[in-house]
Amino acid sequence: NAGVTQTPKFRVLKTGQSMTLLCAQDMNHEYMYWYRQDPGMGLRLIHYSVGEGTTAKGEVPDGYNVSRLKKQNFLLGLESAAPSQTSVYFCASSPDRRPNQPQHFGDGTRLSIL
Amino acid sequence: RKEVEQDPGPFNVPEGATVAFNCTYSNSASQSFFWYRQDCRKEPKLLMSVYSSGNEDGRFTAQLNRASQYISLLIRDSKLSDSATYLCVVTQTGANNLFFGTGTRLTVIP
Repeated sequence: NAGVTQTPKFRVLKTGQSMTLLCAQDMNHEYMYWYRQDPGMGLRLIHYSVGEGTTAKGEVPDGYNVSRLKKQNFLLGLESAAPSQTSVYFCASSPDRRPNQPQHFGDGTRLSIL
Repeated sequence: RKEVEQDPGPFNVPEGATVAFNCTYSNSASQSFFWYRQDCRKEPKLLMSVYSSGNEDGRFTAQLNRASQYISLLIRDSKLSDSATYLCVVTQTGANNLFFGTGTRLTVIP
């Protein structure tokens, strides 16, 4: 059982380039999330989705876009990468919005913007 | 003010020691509480949920004090494998996401 899978695992971009990070989950979870983790900042929510075809902004959405065309996939896009977006990106999913539901994380994407 | 605050540590303890971490949260409407564990360069993984009455899972004990808005994690008989960063996590009523503390780093020394 794969759980939450993120691709790619590593990527180096030049400022201004675009790219898409893919998150796939095989647990039939309704909710999916994209976080970034920076030293001393903890994980911060970028965008999230409460179901297929829906997306919403999180705490730090600027510079990112997302899409959830299929229930199992949640894509994070950087249209014009900036050095401030150098970070480790984690995708997560949870079955529903009940408050006691923990989230299951992918193993992260390390992104460097030069 | 951050939603969740933790002492970043690091905590360096010998094997077999007992160590405790505290975490405070700012929103009194916070509803659910968790401790996650994150190994170096790995993803966070759920360690345990924290219940109002306190709960124990083997060598790990979690407690919640709603009046003072803090959560604690106690690790007894520390093992080398306990070395990791421990993240305090809170959800709020009506919110769709988790709020993470910055984590407390623990190193267990042989």
